[in-house]
Amino acid sequence: AQKITQTQPGMFVQEKEAVTLDCTYDTSDQSYGLFWYKQPSSGEMIFLIYQGSYDEQNATEGRYSLNFQKARKSANLVISASQLGDSAMYFCAMREGWAGGFKTIFGAGTRLFVKA
Amino acid sequence: DTEVTQTPKHLVMGMTNKKSLKCEQHMGHRAMYWYKQKAKKPPELMFVYSYEKLSINESVPSRFSPECPNSSLLNLHLHALQPEDSALYLCASSQDSRGRETGELFFGEGSRLTVL
Repeated sequence: AQKITQTQPGMFVQEKEAVTLDCTYDTSDQSYGLFWYKQPSSGEMIFLIYQGSYDEQNATEGRYSLNFQKARKSANLVISASQLGDSAMYFCAMREGWAGGFKTIFGAGTRLFVKA
Repeated sequence: DTEVTQTPKHLVMGMTNKKSLKCEQHMGHRAMYWYKQKAKKPPELMFVYSYEKLSINESVPSRFSPECPNSSLLNLHLHALQPEDSALYLCASSQDSRGRETGELFFGEGSRLTVL
């Protein structure tokens, strides 16, 4: 069965500094995808970055990068040059192969606070 | 602006009421999803529709009844709900399994439900 673990309930970071949000996962599938979503207080889920299980290079999207360590089953999110608008809840998520839909499960989330 | 539209944004209902949540997408996605999110918790998968057919039901109580009238629309019919069903209900869509799809979920802004 799929499992996603985020062990940091809350994180503080100074504006303009980098921060790493941890995520570990467990799956028996060979083909899977890992995601990070941001959820501001408004409630909308915003896609940030994706890493496929067969992708050899770490994914990057602007200030976001995903540190993918397959052997350790970790998929940490790195946010560089933090901004005040980055304050939000961040969810790590995983989907396994197509099974009549992409069954995606979410970790417990990490609340990020960016300090001015 | 999100490409997945949910209505209503807020709903208050009594335990004997019947109401519906609606979701619409025009991205040509053939998989649509309902998630339930309690405060300070991650989204939990409820239902998945693939090509207008229910493909995944995560043991959701029958007082929640999903419907997919066509490839663009997804409804969630609510009847005899309990106060503990109060939550944010998120609709999402994704591409199907053809090609090298990432399985990214495109979320609506959610419908915030309060059951009195």
